Amino acid sequence: DIQMTQSPSSLSASVGDRVTITCQASQDISNYLNWYQQKPGKAPKLLIYDASNLETGVPSRFSGSGSGTDFTFTISSLQPEDIATYYCQQYDNLPTFGQGTRLEIK
Amino acid sequence: EVQLVESGGGLVQPGRSLRLSCAASGFTFDDYAMHWVRQAPGKGLEWVSGISWNSGSTGYADSVKGRFTISRDNAKNSLYLQMNSLRAEDTALYYCAKAGARIVPAATFHRWGQGTLVTVSS
Repeated sequence: DIQMTQSPSSLSASVGDRVTITCQASQDISNYLNWYQQKPGKAPKLLIYDASNLETGVPSRFSGSGSGTDFTFTISSLQPEDIATYYCQQYDNLPTFGQGTRLEIK
Repeated sequence: EVQLVESGGGLVQPGRSLRLSCAASGFTFDDYAMHWVRQAPGKGLEWVSGISWNSGSTGYADSVKGRFTISRDNAKNSLYLQMNSLRAEDTALYYCAKAGARIVPAATFHRWGQGTLVTVSS
């Protein structure tokens, strides 16, 4: 299985801050990488697919980049409603998720 | 509007079976692969299984292979997960998820249901 290592596991930031989460794959996965947001008690929501494509209806402050083994997810200006856990997920092989990054407001 | 509604969860003893269902609406069901993803209490997400648009191809996580069977009924717009030989570690919220393409390997989960809770305990 392809292992996905996300960092940090938790993050505290202020409203308006630029927030960055990284995800590293254990082998080359090209751009087969998605990012999801999960708010407490809710189902996950797709934000970014194929490493850098914004899902329809998702605010443009969310973005993704990377290819191969190293990927980055960015919130350009943190909003209160962005409090959630974020997961990366690869689908180059059987799908696997990163362990998640819990984002809190400072 | 896409809707995915899971059902069939509950409390079950180790070694017993359970069948989950997912009722889909708001899209052309037989145009898309479908998947099950689970989340143990307080833990992260784990892909369980996927099935192609026409049931011609399926995939399973190693943790459930040989015990779980995914199926679909396109005439009923429904997805199923037959879970046999259940173990305590299968305890989780099980989500039904719609893919963005017909084939199992294109595993981007564009829409999710709200989940159904399975608890395996004696």
